[in-house]
Amino acid sequence: SAVISQKPSRDICQRGTSLTIQCQVDSQVTMMFWYRQQPGQSLTLIATANQGSEATYESGFVIDKFPISRPNLTFSTLTVSNMSPEDSSIYLCSVTSGIPYNEQFFGPGTRLTVL
Amino acid sequence: AQRVTQPEKLLSVFKGAPVELKCNYSYSGSPELFWYVQYSRQRLQLLLRHISRESIKGFTADLNKGETSFHLKKPFAQEEDSAMYYCALKSSGGYNKLIFGAGTRLAVHP
Repeated sequence: SAVISQKPSRDICQRGTSLTIQCQVDSQVTMMFWYRQQPGQSLTLIATANQGSEATYESGFVIDKFPISRPNLTFSTLTVSNMSPEDSSIYLCSVTSGIPYNEQFFGPGTRLTVL
Repeated sequence: AQRVTQPEKLLSVFKGAPVELKCNYSYSGSPELFWYVQYSRQRLQLLLRHISRESIKGFTADLNKGETSFHLKKPFAQEEDSAMYYCALKSSGGYNKLIFGAGTRLAVHP
């Protein structure tokens, strides 16, 4: 299994600022993902973080708003830019790991509140 | 369109009662489905996957292609089963992306 840590665990930010969330995995993984879980709602995939190339964004999410870095096979960052109260959510990092089922593991999440 | 539907936001049962958490999906082809669970103050974790046909913590789920369903069942609920349960579908878009249902909160009362 893969052990995932995220920093920060929570933050309260002002409108118009940006926050960078870090995701660290204890082993090298091919696939890393960023999800958003808005209050009372399910998880929505933001993007797939690709090592060595640009992230692949889902419909409704753009790089200018959610820039992602993936410098190596164990680390990724998600930035939430120019925040508004609508960005208040839990942001989760996940990875796929394991043989034979390539199970998806989730980090503890970052709880973001935008005032 | 690929979609997962969990019609119940909350399922409330008494300890020892049977539990069925409903999940329906929309997918062209052979789906790969999962149940994830999130206990209070814990991270989301995989409970079971249909492809391995396993039983975890007394829970089972059978894929019914005719009814496009993947309901989660347990014959006798325990208080420690109280949690948020998410049904998820692996997207055909590749990269092991998951599409999640809205989730069902299971509350098991003593």
